[in-house]
Amino acid sequence: DVKVTQSSRYLVKRTGEKVFLECVQDMDHENMFWYRQDPGLGLRLIYFSYDVKMKEKGDIPEGYSVSREKKERFSLILESASTSQTSMYLCASSPVGENEQYFGPGTRLTVT
Amino acid sequence: GQNIDQPTEMTATEGAIVQINCTYQTSGFNGLFWYQQHAGEAPTFLSYNVLDGLEEKGRFSSFLSRSKGYSYLLLKELQMKDSASYLCAVILRGYGGSQGNLIFGKGTKLSVKP
Repeated sequence: DVKVTQSSRYLVKRTGEKVFLECVQDMDHENMFWYRQDPGLGLRLIYFSYDVKMKEKGDIPEGYSVSREKKERFSLILESASTSQTSMYLCASSPVGENEQYFGPGTRLTVT
Repeated sequence: GQNIDQPTEMTATEGAIVQINCTYQTSGFNGLFWYQQHAGEAPTFLSYNVLDGLEEKGRFSSFLSRSKGYSYLLLKELQMKDSASYLCAVILRGYGGSQGNLIFGKGTKLSVKP
């Protein structure tokens, strides 16, 4: 079974802090994604990566950056957290040639 | 722009049949997904349609009409555990050197009553 894990289920941070959200997949997938999910807005793509050290902006990249140094790990970085970044963050992965994405359990981030 | 519409909420009775509709207007199309998401959990894959017609998988079926920009998810013999949000998502282009993006609708919250 594909397994996508995220470093924390719940996280509370203060405004201005630098925040790292980690995602690891164990199925050697090339493609990895970061989404945020907000009530009434659905899932929105922040960044994605289709190879190590490659990244592309999604629909809402402002205020975020990413890092993919190893194939299995994709990190989302909030350089200076703001209250507007309070959300559920979901990581997903997929192999090349397959459209289905496999999701991690999510990290509920609260910025106070 | 990209637009995917689905009803916000639906209610149905245990044992009944429910149809959740999804319409889309997107700049490209390479397939449509349905995902199920229980409260506080990750979305899980239900179905993928790339050609017109009906795909059946147990109690769940998904239909696609590309010419109409329309899909539906049909759930039969509803059970209480089917209470969840159902997400419609369109993939704009296929996989090559670059990843095709998934565009999600806002989701339909289904409540199944006894």
